[in-house]
Amino acid sequence: DAGVTQSPTHLIKTRGQQVTLRCSPKSGHDTVSWYQQALGQGPQFIFQYYEEEERQRGNFPDRFSGHQFPNYSSELNVNALLLGDSALYLCASSLNGHFYGYTFGSGTRLTVV
Amino acid sequence: SQQGEEDPQALSIQEGENATMNCSYKTSINNLQWYRQNSGRGLVHLILIRSNEREKHSGRLRVTLDTSKKSSSLLITASRAADTASYFCATVPTGANNLFFGTGTRLTVIP
Repeated sequence: DAGVTQSPTHLIKTRGQQVTLRCSPKSGHDTVSWYQQALGQGPQFIFQYYEEEERQRGNFPDRFSGHQFPNYSSELNVNALLLGDSALYLCASSLNGHFYGYTFGSGTRLTVV
Repeated sequence: SQQGEEDPQALSIQEGENATMNCSYKTSINNLQWYRQNSGRGLVHLILIRSNEREKHSGRLRVTLDTSKKSSSLLITASRAADTASYFCATVPTGANNLFFGTGTRLTVIP
């Protein structure tokens, strides 16, 4: 039973560029949440996708957008990258309505130079 | 901003000692969860306590919850070097569908 898979593992981008991160949820899960974790900080909620729609959003600018596909996998897109976007991006999957079974991927380390 | 804060920010103990971490949060919650993170990688779920529970045990872990004070504590007994990691509390606020994390406690267990 595969857990949450994120790709790529590491990524280096230049300021102003755009990036797409990918997440495949755990088998049986239908909800995907994205988090940004700056070095030495706790994860910050970006947004959550369910039934291919953004259901909830944290305090992040519109440069951060996402998508969920019919197979429940998800993408996180960040446009016009800033140095401050450098962080570990974590994807978590869960089953809608179940607050207990969050499963996290190993994350994508994004460095903006 | 973070949903909660943890105390202490860092903790260093000898192997075999107990480690206690505290978490405070700001809003009413459905449940509170504790996670572990090794070396800035993925988060591993440790234990969940519901808002109507006061204490829960799992192996060497003991979690307490005081909703009147909006606080929780995680106790790791008989610590091992392998327990070295960052520990985060996370809440599911009432009416929400997602987790909000605290600032974390960095635990170092010295062999």
